[in-house]
Amino acid sequence: DAGVIQSPRHEVTEMGQEVTLRCKPISGHNSLFWYRQTMMRGLELLIYFNNNVPIDDSGMPEDRFSAKMPNASFSTLKIQPSEPRDSAVYFCASSLKRTYNEQFFGPGTRLTVL
Amino acid sequence: AQSVTQLDSHVSVSEGTPVLLRCNYSSSYSPSLFWYVQHPNKGLQLLLKYTSAATLVKGINGFEAEFKKSETSFHLTKPSAHMSDAAEYFCVVSPVGAGSYQLTFGKGTKLSVIP
Repeated sequence: DAGVIQSPRHEVTEMGQEVTLRCKPISGHNSLFWYRQTMMRGLELLIYFNNNVPIDDSGMPEDRFSAKMPNASFSTLKIQPSEPRDSAVYFCASSLKRTYNEQFFGPGTRLTVL
Repeated sequence: AQSVTQLDSHVSVSEGTPVLLRCNYSSSYSPSLFWYVQHPNKGLQLLLKYTSAATLVKGINGFEAEFKKSETSFHLTKPSAHMSDAAEYFCVVSPVGAGSYQLTFGKGTKLSVIP
């Protein structure tokens, strides 16, 4: 079984550029999560989707961040414009709704904003 | 509100010796508790979970954890460390019920295994 797939695995960009991170959840999972991991703050939940609908986006840092889930098998996290403080590892995770605290994580995207 | 404290940021053991990674939690209700492992440049993998059934929980790769409500602890153990166990381990708490998607992560314990 394929796990959660994320692309790209590494992204280096310059301040002010738009960055789009992509995620394919595990087939059949109807909950999807975006997390950010930094040394200072650890792992933080950015946004949670259920059945493609955003349920909790209280962790999205500011308007520069946006996330979409156009269908059950694809989600994007976009940062526009990017800033150096956005440098982090971004993880996507998915789960079944009935066990949505048992989350399966992708390998992450390491973002560096210069 | 809920929180997790991992008592050691770094633990070093010799191969073949026992592993103990300590975790204390704070929660205003009966929580679900998890341990995740993160190998370098990899995603997080679920090791085991406690959800109010048996207090001693067995996970993958020989790890287990015991839920002790009186001590608000959920320590992770393994009888004999293997080189492949070197990784970072996260203790995680979540509420039960509607908000249970909200995982609160500890800051992590980096486990080193000395040959």
